[in-house]
Parts: sequence; structure tokens; C-alpha cells
Amino acid sequence: KQEVTQIPAALSVPEGENLVLNCSFTDSAIYNLQWFRQDPGKGLTSLLLIQSSQREQTSGRLNASLDKSSGRSTLYIAASQPGDSATYLCAPYSGGGADGLTFGKGTHLIIQP
Amino acid sequence: ETGVTQTPRHLVMGMTNKKSLKCEQHLGHNAMYWYKQSAKKPLELMFVYSLEERVENNSVPSRFSPECPNSSHLFLHLHTLQPEDSALYLCASSQVESAGNTIYFGEGSWLTVV
Repeated sequence: KQEVTQIPAALSVPEGENLVLNCSFTDSAIYNLQWFRQDPGKGLTSLLLIQSSQREQTSGRLNASLDKSSGRSTLYIAASQPGDSATYLCAPYSGGGADGLTFGKGTHLIIQP
Repeated sequence: ETGVTQTPRHLVMGMTNKKSLKCEQHLGHNAMYWYKQSAKKPLELMFVYSLEERVENNSVPSRFSPECPNSSHLFLHLHTLQPEDSALYLCASSQVESAGNTIYFGEGSWLTVV
């Protein structure tokens, strides 16, 4: 059974810093991995999807990397802004439909103005 | 607009009440899902409907009863719930044929059982 760990659980940094969120997973036989953002009391928004054959994926100030063999992914946020404050979840997909999508508990990020 | 709409956004119900959560997706997807999100826990997949047929029921108590009348609508009927069922219930949809395709979530329904 896939297990996902996200470190740190919470992070508070001043505006403008570059930061890295970490995700590790136990089963490296994945098809892809997604990073989601969740604002308080809201649903999840997909930020980036990396296929298993890719090493990284970029969208604006976000860059996600994937090292499938070691079971790790990182989300890099450049020049952080207060609007980036949210919980970030990673979810590797192991196939077999929705049951194959396993979520971590997330990293709760606060960007101080 | 998110493409997946959930109502109500907030619901408070007594343990003896019967209520329903509603989800509608406007994305032309053929799979819909119910997830439960409790504090300090990862998202838990409850039910999956693919092509309007239930394909997953992850040991969810019978006090939760899903209904999928068509590919665009999904309901979660609630009856005789317990306080520990208080959580954020998220509906999601995707295109089932594409392995690992992006999944789209609604804003969620906050449920409080008193």
C-alpha cells in the first residue's frame, strides 16, 4: 500500500524567500505525481502533474521535480508571496483508477507579508 | 468557476436527521468521486462512480449512501450520522480512460454533526 509523507508539516517564512516542499512515497511504481493546493475550507486545485518519465515540470514560479526511483518529489516555489499561503498536497498515482491516487497530509505554508 | 459545484457549502445536522450533499460537474467527465477530509488526516476516498456505475466502496459505513443518476450529478445521502463524521466532504471528477488524468475537485461541503 502506497504511503506518502510530506515534510515539513508546516512552514512559515517571510515574503520573497525561495522555498522547497518535500514529498516521499514508498512505492516507486507510479504513473505520475500531482501537486495540489488547498486554501482553507476549500477544495483542491491541481498545480502540476509530472509523468513518471519526466524529471520536472514548471508552471510560473512553481517547479516540481520527480525522482521516481528514490520515491521523492519536491515542489520549489520561487519568490514567495502572501497569496501562496495554503496547504500543498502531493499525490502519486499508482494506477487502477481513483483508488490508486494517494494523498499526503500536506504542508501548511504561511508567507508573512 | 471550478467546473465542479457542490451544495450546500455548510451543513449542520443532528444525529437523527436525513440530509443529502449534491455535486454537479460541467467538465464532460465520466467518473465522479466522494472524498472525506478530516483534520490532521489525508484525504480518504469513499466512493467512485465510473460511467455511472459504482466501482469503489472503501469500507464506508452504510449511513453514507451515494447516488449517481447520470454522469454529471452525484449525491451523498446521509442518515443517522455520528459526531466523528464531521468533516469536509469533497466531490471530484475526471476522465476515467486516461490513466492518472488530472482530477478536478469541488469546493467541498463542510458537515458538522451535533
